[in-house]
Amino acid sequence: GAVVSQHPSWVICKSGTSVKIECRSLDFQATTMFWYRQFPKQSLMLMATSNEGSKATYEQGVEKDKFLINHASLTLSTLTVTSAHPEDSSFYICSPGGPSTDTQYFGPGTRLTVL
Amino acid sequence: DAKTTQPPSMDCAEGRAANLPCNHSTISGNEYVYWYRQIHSQGPQYIIHGLKNNETNEMASLIITEDRKSSTLILPHATLRDTAVYYCIVRVANTGNQFYFGTGTSLTVIP
Repeated sequence: GAVVSQHPSWVICKSGTSVKIECRSLDFQATTMFWYRQFPKQSLMLMATSNEGSKATYEQGVEKDKFLINHASLTLSTLTVTSAHPEDSSFYICSPGGPSTDTQYFGPGTRLTVL
Repeated sequence: DAKTTQPPSMDCAEGRAANLPCNHSTISGNEYVYWYRQIHSQGPQYIIHGLKNNETNEMASLIITEDRKSSTLILPHATLRDTAVYYCIVRVANTGNQFYFGTGTSLTVIP
């Protein structure tokens, strides 16, 4: 299957700071990138979908100005949590995709803790 | 995409077969059944998928009923490492669309 990496794997930050999470598709050209978040003991929730070279589409209830997504290349997408607050503490997971993707693969996730 | 219904939790003895059911009564003709699992604090891992025929790979077997309204994922010889949350998802293949996750089944393999 596709190899997906995320960096960092975990991060702790102070409230009010910004955190950038990188997602790399190592052997697959991701024309699309899906970003999910997962709160403790809950399922994955889709946050946004980005297409390479264009603006991301956000799910209802997800603030686009708070969760900045950049998808500048077919192998790299970034999610920046701006002015993080404790309620943003969550597990963030990326998943690269393409127009003819049969099986979806997921990154290992990034654990964000905001103090 | 059609919704799925899974039991919230199951236990299985180590070395025995684990049979995880999933109901998807509103599945469309072009929707595949996918199974993923998520071990604690890791990203979801692909297990298997199928359209209407039973499928088997090195990880598991997928049994889909003839009317396609339900399916069963079978782990033939469960190990402690199979303890995870298992998600059954239906989706049209080859569209590049996102996966929507339900609540899944938390499987605990007991020594």
